[in-house]
Amino acid sequence: KQEVTQIPAALSVPEGENLVLNCSFTDSAIYNLQWFRQDPGKGLTSLLLIQSSQREQTSGRLNASLDKSSGRSTLYIAASQPGDSATYLCAVNMNTGFQKLVFGTGTRLLVSP
Amino acid sequence: DVKVTQSSRYLVKRTGEKVFLECVQDMDHENMFWYRQDPGLGLRLIYFSYDVKMKEKGDIPEGYSVSREKKERFSLILESASTNQTSMYLCASKAGARLLQETQYFGPGTRLLVL
Repeated sequence: KQEVTQIPAALSVPEGENLVLNCSFTDSAIYNLQWFRQDPGKGLTSLLLIQSSQREQTSGRLNASLDKSSGRSTLYIAASQPGDSATYLCAVNMNTGFQKLVFGTGTRLLVSP
Repeated sequence: DVKVTQSSRYLVKRTGEKVFLECVQDMDHENMFWYRQDPGLGLRLIYFSYDVKMKEKGDIPEGYSVSREKKERFSLILESASTNQTSMYLCASKAGARLLQETQYFGPGTRLLVL
């Protein structure tokens, strides 16, 4: 059974810092991996999607990497801002007939001005 | 932009009541999903549907049923609500299997409290 772990569970940094969020998964037979952002009391917004054949994806100040063989992904946020404060969720799409996502429990990020 | 809407943001129900949670998407997506989100447990898949009138059980279907009579609408039904079903419920939709690289689009969530 696929298990997805995110470390740390919570992170507090001052504005301007570069930071890394970690995601690990136990079964490397994934189709893709996604990073989502969730603001308090809200739904999820997709940030980046990395196909299993890719090593990284970039969007603005965000960069996500994937090492499928070791079961790891990182989300790098450059020059963090208070508006980046949210919970970040990692999810793997299992290589099955249906697009089943298995989620980690998230990293709660607080960026202080 | 894809829009996924959920009928209620907050609901308070009593134990034993029948509860309907509605989800509507406007992008003609084939696939729709219901998750529940609990602290420390993350998002867990309850049911999903890959076509009208088609459904598949997710990881935690017990105590729930679903209905998909129209492509754009996916309903989650709690036949007899219990306190352990107090949770945040999230609906999502996604384009068909031929577009596996597509993401799931989520609604804003319904926070359900069962007393």
